[in-house]
Amino acid sequence: EAGVVQSPRYKIIEKKQPVAFWCNPISGHNTLYWYRQNLGQGPELLIRYENEEAVDDSQLPKDRFSAERLKGVDSTLKIQPAELGDSAVYLCASRRDGSRYNEQFFGPGTRLTVL
Amino acid sequence: DAKTTQPNSMESNEEEPVHLPCNHSTISGTDYIHWYRQLPSQGPEYVIHGLTSNVNNRMASLAIAEDRKSSTLILHRATLRDAAVYYCIPVLQGAQKLVFGQGTRLTINP
Repeated sequence: EAGVVQSPRYKIIEKKQPVAFWCNPISGHNTLYWYRQNLGQGPELLIRYENEEAVDDSQLPKDRFSAERLKGVDSTLKIQPAELGDSAVYLCASRRDGSRYNEQFFGPGTRLTVL
Repeated sequence: DAKTTQPNSMESNEEEPVHLPCNHSTISGTDYIHWYRQLPSQGPEYVIHGLTSNVNNRMASLAIAEDRKSSTLILHRATLRDAAVYYCIPVLQGAQKLVFGQGTRLTINP
């Protein structure tokens, strides 16, 4: 079974530029998460999707961040414009409803550096 | 969300057992205790979880205190590949989200 796929793995941009991250969850997983992980910290939830519906986006900075999950499969997270403080690792995770252990499966993340 | 307290770092030797503690004194009666770990340059991965009884799987064992205010993740025979940050996370039954703390950075010496 293929894991959660994320691209790109690394991205370096200048401040005020836009950037987008892509995630393909594990097949059959209806719940998709985007997390941000700052250096030395644990991941923090940005948004959670149940199928194509964003059901928890309370931590998403909506002035510059946006996300979509068309057709309830893969998802894109966008930042426009990026700021220096957005430098972090952006993690995508997925989960299947009714799974025995209710665990989330994480992708390797996208490391964003804003210069 | 229940608060957790874990040591910032721990160190152990290869092939020795490792006991990773976690205090979660504000845990509610229906919170499961989940453990995840994050290997270098990877996303977190599920390790184990439990409610009241001790649990074992192929990766680790989880010992939960009788009052449920603390738990210990046990790696029976650490390898270099177990070097990671380990997170203890109380999860409300049926909840869809994980709230990560800072975790414990485990170093394994050869």
